[in-house]
Amino acid sequence: EVQLLQSGGGLVQPGGSLRLSCEASGFTFSSYAMGWVRQAPGKGLEWVSSLSGSGGSTYYADSVKGRFTISRDNSKNTLYLQMNSLRAEDTAVYYCGKVAQWTYFDYWGQGTLVTVSS
Amino acid sequence: EIVMTQSPATLSASPGERATLSCRASQSISSNLAWYQQKPGQAPRLLIYGASTRATGIPARFSGSGSGTEFTLTISSLQSEDFAVYYCQHYNIWPLTFGGGTKVEIK
Repeated sequence: EVQLLQSGGGLVQPGGSLRLSCEASGFTFSSYAMGWVRQAPGKGLEWVSSLSGSGGSTYYADSVKGRFTISRDNSKNTLYLQMNSLRAEDTAVYYCGKVAQWTYFDYWGQGTLVTVSS
Repeated sequence: EIVMTQSPATLSASPGERATLSCRASQSISSNLAWYQQKPGQAPRLLIYGASTRATGIPARFSGSGSGTEFTLTISSLQSEDFAVYYCQHYNIWPLTFGGGTKVEIK
């Protein structure tokens, strides 16, 4: 059974940093692309970033490019999202997801809330 | 960036009724479209990929159709557990984008 267990998140001041983690199990982690999607309170879904199984290819939404870094540690079956220079508009529930062949998200984590506020 | 537009924003229907949700892409995306269901407080769940292929474990009452720029998700007979928000997402090119969602509510 595929499971994605997220950790990290919380309250951070504008301009601050936070790292999200997503530990995977139930599949061969290194064989699949992974990604992050966020959802602002009461709003729809927004794709944030994706990376390949090896970690060698990464893609970012323009809204986070240059501030967020996606990475993975295949020895730990864990995906990360390093978020720097956080803004109020980054406040959202962040979901990690397993990506089927650079396409859709076939499995999702439980989500973690990031609140950027002073 | 490809803009995904969903309609209607809210669909009111009764259990047992047929529901038809639409998703339009601002340019052709072939069949590179997925549909998700999201219930309050939960993560999204994949329903359909490739515009018309049901994901594992998805009931047959859910069906997807369309290609190019016009897509439809049909729920043939609404069950109580189907009242939720539905999102479409294209994966034709970067960046990936989602539609704004359609809320299916009980009439």
